[in-house]
Amino acid sequence: RKEVEQDPGPFNVPEGATVAFNCTYSNSASQSFFWYRQDCRKEPKLLMSVYSSGNEDGRFTAQLNRASQYISLLIRDSKLSDSATYLCVVNIGNYGQNFVFGPGTRLSVLP
Amino acid sequence: DAGVIQSPRHEVTEMGQEVTLRCKPISGHDYLFWYRQTMMRGLELLIYFNNNVPIDDSGMPEDRFSAKMPNASFSTLKIQPSEPRDSAVYFCASSQILASTGNTEAFFGQGTRLTVV
Repeated sequence: RKEVEQDPGPFNVPEGATVAFNCTYSNSASQSFFWYRQDCRKEPKLLMSVYSSGNEDGRFTAQLNRASQYISLLIRDSKLSDSATYLCVVNIGNYGQNFVFGPGTRLSVLP
Repeated sequence: DAGVIQSPRHEVTEMGQEVTLRCKPISGHDYLFWYRQTMMRGLELLIYFNNNVPIDDSGMPEDRFSAKMPNASFSTLKIQPSEPRDSAVYFCASSQILASTGNTEAFFGQGTRLTVV
């Protein structure tokens, strides 16, 4: 089993739609969690950190369920500019040693 | 800050040649990571350093790969000899621990696209 698994996608959704991505991780000692976004032929960039209580940043909401080892990302009112690959990232080190990336889920928002 | 700086952006080389990729982390960051990204395998961690010391190199695929960090502002990833299957995008990233929250995130350079023919 891979350490971090994500929905394979791709997700093709119309503008304005709500879309949710799921991610599971296998290492119960994982310390911190992130969602990164990667545009075509660009580097990954942090979208948001994921906190135990869940957190929201504008149209984006992240949730963490440690018991189920599950992370989610919800995008509301999707825009064309949201089209990208979304990477679930788990840090399994105690102090930032090991960022393990999921395979990514590709999102295409259509006009 | 200019962010993580990698060079070159693109490299095309012949099989058997030595390739050296370079990285300048963000000033003040004490962790540096080298990743490789391919369509088949996604983003894989090759090695990471803490305070210039290699901590985990278990992701380095073969002895042909080596990485150094002679000081806090510079790291290299060397492939010698290179092979076509080494073709990939190589990313360098750096991070730091935030004293206030203990959280950390990795900031990536723009990557080096390596093609070995």
